[in-house]
Amino acid sequence: QKEVEQNSGPLSVPEGAIASLNCTYSDRGSQSFFWYRQYSGKSPELIMFIYSNGDKEDGRFTAQLNKASQYVSLLIRDSQPSDSATYLCAVEAGGGNKLTFGTGTQLKVEL
Amino acid sequence: GAGVSQSPSNKVTEKGKDVELRCDPISGHTALYWYRQSLGQGLEFLIYFQGNSAPDKSGLPSDRFSAERTGGSVSTLTIQRTQQEDSAVYLCASSIRETQYFGPGTRLLVL
Repeated sequence: QKEVEQNSGPLSVPEGAIASLNCTYSDRGSQSFFWYRQYSGKSPELIMFIYSNGDKEDGRFTAQLNKASQYVSLLIRDSQPSDSATYLCAVEAGGGNKLTFGTGTQLKVEL
Repeated sequence: GAGVSQSPSNKVTEKGKDVELRCDPISGHTALYWYRQSLGQGLEFLIYFQGNSAPDKSGLPSDRFSAERTGGSVSTLTIQRTQQEDSAVYLCASSIRETQYFGPGTRLLVL
């Protein structure tokens, strides 16, 4: 079982819709959770991080964390073509701030 | 500098040669990480530095890989006797707390 799992996609949504990206993790001791966006040929860039159960909103992005279910998600409202990228879920556990990444979900926002 | 920088941006080498990859972290960031990303894959953790010491080297794939950090700043990842399976993008990240900021990466191609 992979430590951090994501559906590879592609996930296609029409422009203006809500995109929902999901991630599950295996280590119950995980403390910090991150969403990175990676455009093709570019390095990952941080979108959001979340530590506590519940929702955290930042502009069009909302991260949701449920530690009991070992589940973290990212919602993108009013999706734009510029949101088309691969979204990487990363989990920190075991100290040292070492991140374990999922393989990413490719999002395509269609006109 | 304003962000993490890496050099070279691209490196083509012949099988069996040694290569050195350099990372300049964000000024003041005490932690530095090396990851590897193969085509279409997620990020694979290689090694983590806190200051000049490396408390976690668990991701180094073989003894051909080594890394050092000097002055709590610049880090060098060295791959000896390169193999074709070493071809990947090598990403460096730095952090001062939990959030890691990535450099642009070095694309390594071993022929």
